[in-house]
Amino acid sequence: GENVEQHPSTLSVQEGDSAVIKCTYSDSASNYFPWYKQELGKRPQLIIDIRSNVGEKKDQRIAVTLNKTAKHFSLHITETQPEDSAVYFCAANAGNMLTFGGGTRLMVKP
Amino acid sequence: DAGVIQSPRHEVTEMGQEVTLRCKPISGHDYLFWYRQTMMRGLELLIYFNNNVPIDDSGMPEDRFSAKMPNASFSTLKIQPSEPRDSAVYFCASSPGGTGELFFGEGSRLTVL
Repeated sequence: GENVEQHPSTLSVQEGDSAVIKCTYSDSASNYFPWYKQELGKRPQLIIDIRSNVGEKKDQRIAVTLNKTAKHFSLHITETQPEDSAVYFCAANAGNMLTFGGGTRLMVKP
Repeated sequence: DAGVIQSPRHEVTEMGQEVTLRCKPISGHDYLFWYRQTMMRGLELLIYFNNNVPIDDSGMPEDRFSAKMPNASFSTLKIQPSEPRDSAVYFCASSPGGTGELFFGEGSRLTVL
């Protein structure tokens, strides 16, 4: 089955700096790569996703890049704000199932 | 729509007791997923249904766990007998298609003493 590795497990940045979270996956047939944000005590919520027919997608301060050859994808958050503090999960599909990475706890210090 | 609805939100029970978690997916969504979240193991897929039919239950940890979806608007996850290592947050999620956004419920936090 699919295996998704996520790094780093924790990330601390100063407000206004950029944050980058990286994931690798194992199944070359995967074609859907979403990112979820989970605030403390809340449910995971989709923030952005990318499909394998594109290499990059941007939505305001958030961007994702995908390298299918290397089987890795990344989340970039620019101009971080305290409200960006949360746990971020990457995921990759295996058929209709999503396998999640282990999560990255992002802390944005004011 | 009210979103995915799970109950109970919190459950504290003693080892050996039966636990039933419930989920109402978003109307019109034909995929339903049960995930378990723990600090050690992260978000694990337990089982998923398509049009009320279980498709993949390879993530169900053992025979103590069972899940049903008797109709398009209701699913249950049952643990019998429960053990302390089952303590976790159990999320139900639904999706309008196989590969797309998952809409998670608020989760059921289970504590087994």
